[in-house]
Amino acid sequence: NAGVTQTPKFQVLKTGQSMTLQCAQDMNHNSMYWYRQDPGMGLRLIYYSASEGTTDKGEVPNGYNVSRLNKREFSLRLESAAPSQTSVYFCASRANQPQHFGDGTRLSIL
Amino acid sequence: QQQVKQSPQSLIVQKGGISIINCAYENTAFDYFPWYQQFPGKGPALLIAIRPDVSEKKEGRFTISFNKSAKQFSLHIMDSQPGDSATYFCAASKRSGNTGKLIFGQGTTLQVKP
Repeated sequence: NAGVTQTPKFQVLKTGQSMTLQCAQDMNHNSMYWYRQDPGMGLRLIYYSASEGTTDKGEVPNGYNVSRLNKREFSLRLESAAPSQTSVYFCASRANQPQHFGDGTRLSIL
Repeated sequence: QQQVKQSPQSLIVQKGGISIINCAYENTAFDYFPWYQQFPGKGPALLIAIRPDVSEKKEGRFTISFNKSAKQFSLHIMDSQPGDSATYFCAASKRSGNTGKLIFGQGTTLQVKP
């Protein structure tokens, strides 16, 4: 089992460009999450999907959109990237506890 | 607002020593307190977790101590090893609503010197 798979692993964007980060899980989990990790700030929740067909804002949703494509896939979109969105992005999924994390997408915006 | 505060930010311990990381929370509705371990280039992975109906949980060299009245919990790593060098995050979640959202602390970078 691959668990939670994130693509791409690295990406460099220019300010104003758009991009979609992909996440897929093969554990048949109902809930999926997107976090960003910044130095000294831990992981902060951007958006989550408690079940297929539902999405909700987390702590830092501004500048992002999400799509729960099906039970397996949950994508995160940056419509107009800004330097403040330079971060490491993690996707996670869970059935009950705990959450299982992917290995992240390292995103730099110039 | 930072609902879960973690300290210290970084920690250096000699091999064989005890590593202690502390967390404090504000929301009394939290009822699940996990610790995650993260190695460079990897995602966080669950290390150990506790619910507030117990004051301590031990798994091998890792122990969570929980103080409900003080709204604090801590991770103790006994006989610390160089392989324990990683970033550790505490977190908290509330069962109501069943969304499973985790609120993370700021993280502690642990270095265990040989």
